Amino acid sequence: AQKVTQAQTEISVVEKEDVTLDCVYETRDTTYYLFWYKQPPSGELVFLIRRNSFDEQNEISGRYSWNFQKSTSSFNFTITASQVVDSAVYFCALSEAWHNAGNMLTFGGGTRLMVKP
Amino acid sequence: GAGVSQSPSNKVTEKGKDVELRCDPISGHTALYWYRQSLGQGLEFLIYFQGNSAPDKSGLPSDRFSAERTGGSVSTLTIQRTQQEDSAVYLCASSVLGGSTDTQYFGPGTRLTVL
Repeated sequence: AQKVTQAQTEISVVEKEDVTLDCVYETRDTTYYLFWYKQPPSGELVFLIRRNSFDEQNEISGRYSWNFQKSTSSFNFTITASQVVDSAVYFCALSEAWHNAGNMLTFGGGTRLMVKP
Repeated sequence: GAGVSQSPSNKVTEKGKDVELRCDPISGHTALYWYRQSLGQGLEFLIYFQGNSAPDKSGLPSDRFSAERTGGSVSTLTIQRTQQEDSAVYLCASSVLGGSTDTQYFGPGTRLTVL
């Protein structure tokens, strides 16, 4: 069965610091997809990125970057020069290529990031 | 609007009452998902629709929960004889086809409080 672990339940940083959110996953499938979502205080889950298991290339989008390493089953998320607006709960999620439930997402427990001015 | 919408945004009910939660997916999205977010259980999958049919209902926590989708669009999640442990935020998501390459887009959720 699939599983996603986000060991950091809460992180607090001061604005402009870099911060990395960890995500470790378990799956028996060779084809799978990894996601990060942001949940600001308003509550809506906002999609950030999707990665497939065959693409280990790291990705950068502005201040956000993602490090996917199959060898350690990790998909970590780094925010560079954090800002107060980055304060939110961040979820890592996994979907497997074949499942009766479409691409049902299995979520980690989330990491609450607090960025202080 | 262009996103997933859910109603009501908040619902307070008494234990034992039935409730209906509604989800309007993004226009043209054939796949629709319900999830539940609670303090004790985190984010958990409930049910998935491909068109109007639900291939997998195994995520529904009990037979008090049911869902339907009509016209390949709006979906309703019904909870009968609500219990306090049903208190949670119910999130709906939709995606274009429901395949493994799809991205799910979420609505704002319905916060259900059972007194």
